This record gives sequence, structure tokens and C-alpha cells, in this order.
Amino acid sequence: DAGVIQSPRHEVTEMGQEVTLRCKPISGHNSLFWYRQTMMRGLELLIYFNNNVPIDDSGMPEDRFSAKMPNASFSTLKIQPSEPRDSAVYFCASRIRIGEKLFFGSGTQLSVL
Amino acid sequence: LAKTTQPISMDSYEGQEVNITCSHNNIATNDYITWYQQFPSQGPRFIIQGYKTKVTNEVASLFIPADRKSSTLSLPRVSLSDTAVYYCLVGDNGGGGNKLTFGTGTQLKVEL
Repeated sequence: DAGVIQSPRHEVTEMGQEVTLRCKPISGHNSLFWYRQTMMRGLELLIYFNNNVPIDDSGMPEDRFSAKMPNASFSTLKIQPSEPRDSAVYFCASRIRIGEKLFFGSGTQLSVL
Repeated sequence: LAKTTQPISMDSYEGQEVNITCSHNNIATNDYITWYQQFPSQGPRFIIQGYKTKVTNEVASLFIPADRKSSTLSLPRVSLSDTAVYYCLVGDNGGGGNKLTFGTGTQLKVEL
């Protein structure tokens, strides 16, 4: 298996632009997590899905952030409009079921200028 | 959700055993304890998971006392390549939503 696949690996954009991050979980995994990592705040859980349904989005910083999982093999995290403080590494992770270990993607390094 | 507390950093030398302790005083009955390792520019990677007593795999051991309010990750004979950040997670393994929140982690630095 190729593991959790995230795209793009790097994204540089200007303030105010829309940014879409993509994630393909491992086939057969039914939970998907989006995390954000910065030096100041560490690894923050933004939102997670079980069976494509958002379960808890309390970590989403504000309404500019939205996440979808239209099917079991694809999820997006969208920021509109983006701001410089959104600059971070965004990780997607999946797991096969509750209680099992997380598998992380390689992350998307986002820079908002 | 159980909050975890770990040392911010630890230093060691090659060949030594390293023990990293995590406190989780309000761990719930259904919670498992899981440790992850993260190298720079990579996502965290699973190391070990346990519920009580002792768990051992090919890379580490996990010691959990009877009250489960803390846990200790033990890395035998570390090498330079073990330099990384180590995270302790306490997760709801039941019906409470299985939210998994990472703490600040412990930066382990291994030197020659």
C-alpha cells in the first residue's frame, strides 16, 4: 500500500487566496484526521471523520476553514480566504478502526505570504 | 479527554537506555496509551500502544502502572537515529468519539 497520500507537498500562496489541501487515506481505513503543526502550537487536531462523517470539528480555527470527505478514499481541507497565520504543515492521518494506530501522510507545507 | 504531560526535552548518548515518562492523571477506563515518533519534515509514526502492565515490541517497551495515571516509554540502546520528538497520546477507545489529541511531545537528542 502507498500509505496516506497528501497533495501538494508544498504550497505557496498569497493572502486572500483559496487553498485546497488533499488527502487520500489508506484503502479500507474508516477514520480520517486532519492536523496542523506549527512551532508555537505543536500538533493540533482540526477535524476527524468516521465513515466519511465529520465527528468533531471543534479544532477548526474559524469559518475560513472547511473540510469534506465525499467518499472513503478522498478528503479535502479548504482555507478561504487564507491568511499568513495559516502558514503551517498540515497532516492527514487515517486508521482502520477505533483503537488502532494512526498512519500519517508526509504533510503539506503551506506558506501564505 | 485525558491531558498528557511530558518533559520538553531529554538528552542521551548512544548505547544508553532512555525512559520517557508521560503523566495522564485523568485517563478514562476506555483509554489506550499510544506513543508516536516524529522526525523533522515527516508525519508522526506509531511506536507502541498499551492498556496496562507492560508491552514490548521490536523497538520499545511501554510500562504502565496499575493506576494507569502515567506511562513510561523505554528505548533500549539508543542510536543517533533515535533523535526525534516522542509523543504520548491517551485516546478514547470507546464510543466517546475517539478524538486523538497530541501533547507537546519530548524532544530526544542522542549524541555520540
